[in-house]
Amino acid sequence: NAGVTQTPKFQVLKTGQSMTLQCAQDMNHEYMSWYRQDPGMGLRLIHYSVGAGITDQGEVPNGYNVSRSTTEDFPLRLLSAAPSQTSVYFCASSYSGTYYGYTFGSGTRLTVV
Amino acid sequence: SQQGEEDPQALSIQEGENATMNCSYKTSINNLQWYRQNSGRGLVHLILIRSNEREKHSGRLRVTLDTSKKSSSLLITASRAADTASYFCATALGAGTALIFGKGTTLSVSS
Repeated sequence: NAGVTQTPKFQVLKTGQSMTLQCAQDMNHEYMSWYRQDPGMGLRLIHYSVGAGITDQGEVPNGYNVSRSTTEDFPLRLLSAAPSQTSVYFCASSYSGTYYGYTFGSGTRLTVV
Repeated sequence: SQQGEEDPQALSIQEGENATMNCSYKTSINNLQWYRQNSGRGLVHLILIRSNEREKHSGRLRVTLDTSKKSSSLLITASRAADTASYFCATALGAGTALIFGKGTTLSVSS
């Protein structure tokens, strides 16, 4: 039982490049979320999904796209990376949304130069 | 805007002492959750307290909830060096959708 798996763990991008951060869970959780964590800012919600085919915006969605074609996967796409997107990104999942605790991945540290 | 705000931002104590951190939130909630984050790691769920509960215990953790004041507190008793971490409270963005986190309290426990 791997839980929530995020890949890659580290990534350096040049401004303007695109990339996809992968998130996969093997717990059959319907609810998944993406967060970014910056020093002194805590975690801020980027996008979330309440099931396959259903996504919605969080607190800071600009510059990011998501899709949820399967229950297991919830990729986060940066279409044109900017230095302001330098951050640590966390994916999380839950069996029944906020009525239960969330399981977090170990994070992706992204640097945009 | 972030729903929960923890206080204090940083806390330094000696091993064996108790650590108390507080969380205030803005809107009505179904439950409030506390998470721990060790340096460089993902968050780990500690405890969930529902809106109809006033106090909950889990091992050395004690959580209280005061819905009239929109506040919660996390007490860690007999702290250990391994409790050194950041602690976050979280509430729901909407009905069961996603969690919103505060900025966290950084706890340092020295031996």
